[in-house]
Amino acid sequence: DIQMTQSPSSLSASVGDRVTITCRASQSISNYLNWYQQKPGTAPKLLISSASSLQSGVPSRFSGSGSGTDFTLTISNLQPEDFATYHCQQSYATPLTFGQGTKVEI
Amino acid sequence: QITLKESGPTLVKPTQTLTLTCTFSGFSLRASLSTVGVGVGWIRQPPGKALEWLALIYWDDDKVYSPSLKSRLIITKDTSKNQVVLTMTNMDPVDTATYYCAHLRGPGPLDFDYWGQGTLVTVSS
Repeated sequence: DIQMTQSPSSLSASVGDRVTITCRASQSISNYLNWYQQKPGTAPKLLISSASSLQSGVPSRFSGSGSGTDFTLTISNLQPEDFATYHCQQSYATPLTFGQGTKVEI
Repeated sequence: QITLKESGPTLVKPTQTLTLTCTFSGFSLRASLSTVGVGVGWIRQPPGKALEWLALIYWDDDKVYSPSLKSRLIITKDTSKNQVVLTMTNMDPVDTATYYCAHLRGPGPLDFDYWGQGTLVTVSS
């Protein structure tokens, strides 16, 4: 199985901050990396697919980068509605695997 | 507009079998040129923990399971009812989680672009 490791597991930030979350795969997954946002009590929402492809309707302050084993989700100009947990997921091979999540809090 | 909704018991006893149904609309799992690559997956999340992928079923009835749970899982589809059913045998308290079904868009990368609201299943005697 491909292990996905996110860092940090949680972070504190303020409105207007630039936030960076890292996801590392245990082997190369090319650009087969997705990012989801999850707010308490709700289902995950797909933000970015294929490492850097922003989904329709997702604000442009979200961006993704990386290839191979190291990936980054960046939120520039953090907004109140961005406080949530972010998950990475590799789609390179089954079993599909997720990172442990990064909680972004005030 | 794609929607999915999970249904099933909220409480099961240890050793029992869990059956969850995902009822969807806005897409089809009937095999055709327009559904190539489309699928439905099941993902679960224990309280306060990470997401865990369980199983996938594709438009052509191909099925893929998590190796760690494969012996306990069966996924099927009923295209006439727009439903996908997940069965998990020999439930244990560690299986307590919110279970989600999600739309797998295809063909291409295996990402889930629409999710159901989830259903919390508690395993307890």
